Amino acid sequence: GAGVSQSPSNKVTEKGKDVELRCDPISGHTALYWYRQSLGQGLEFLIYFQGNSAPDKSGLPSDRFSAERTGGSVSTLTIQRTQQEDSAVYLCASSLEAIALTDTQYFGPGTRLTVL
Amino acid sequence: RKEVEQDPGPFNVPEGATVAFNCTYSNSASQSFFWYRQDCRKEPKLLMSVYSSGNEDGRFTAQLNRASQYISLLIRDSKLSDSATYLCVVEGGGNKLTFGTGTQLKVEL
Repeated sequence: GAGVSQSPSNKVTEKGKDVELRCDPISGHTALYWYRQSLGQGLEFLIYFQGNSAPDKSGLPSDRFSAERTGGSVSTLTIQRTQQEDSAVYLCASSLEAIALTDTQYFGPGTRLTVL
Repeated sequence: RKEVEQDPGPFNVPEGATVAFNCTYSNSASQSFFWYRQDCRKEPKLLMSVYSSGNEDGRFTAQLNRASQYISLLIRDSKLSDSATYLCVVEGGGNKLTFGTGTQLKVEL
């Protein structure tokens, strides 16, 4: 079946511009996570959605970052006034439920963001 | 101290060798542990969960030592296709996972 998809696969933007990244989770998965991975760094948790509950935004690095998930499915991560340090691969993952012990997180291929 | 620490490597081993990676974690309350594999410029994929009693999946064995707060991954009879970065992953509370920076393995002929 279809896995997690993300778009665009690559995005080059100029400092100060806004960008929007999209994630389509696996159908039926109620939990959705956003991470970013910088060169030589581990995956950094950004935000997590579980069903209709309020999202856990504790990992968002600044108020320039926001995310929403409409209809419990597709999610968009928005970065306003991008900075060079925002350059990274942004990964989305989904799982059937949010019980980390039993449910595998399936990752999308990521969006490689480059801020010039 | 980082929440999850791994030796970045690279570990260069010949085909057929046995190689082991360790990972230490700081949150003593963590209950779930995993190893993920990430190929170059690809997304991470779950390799195996790590259970308290230790578990084996083919050539791969994972162990957990709660007292010393480390987990290990042993790969026997290494294959060229095992070359990848292995990410140690620990539940960070609140249904969130904390990823290590990974250990790079290169299996050579």
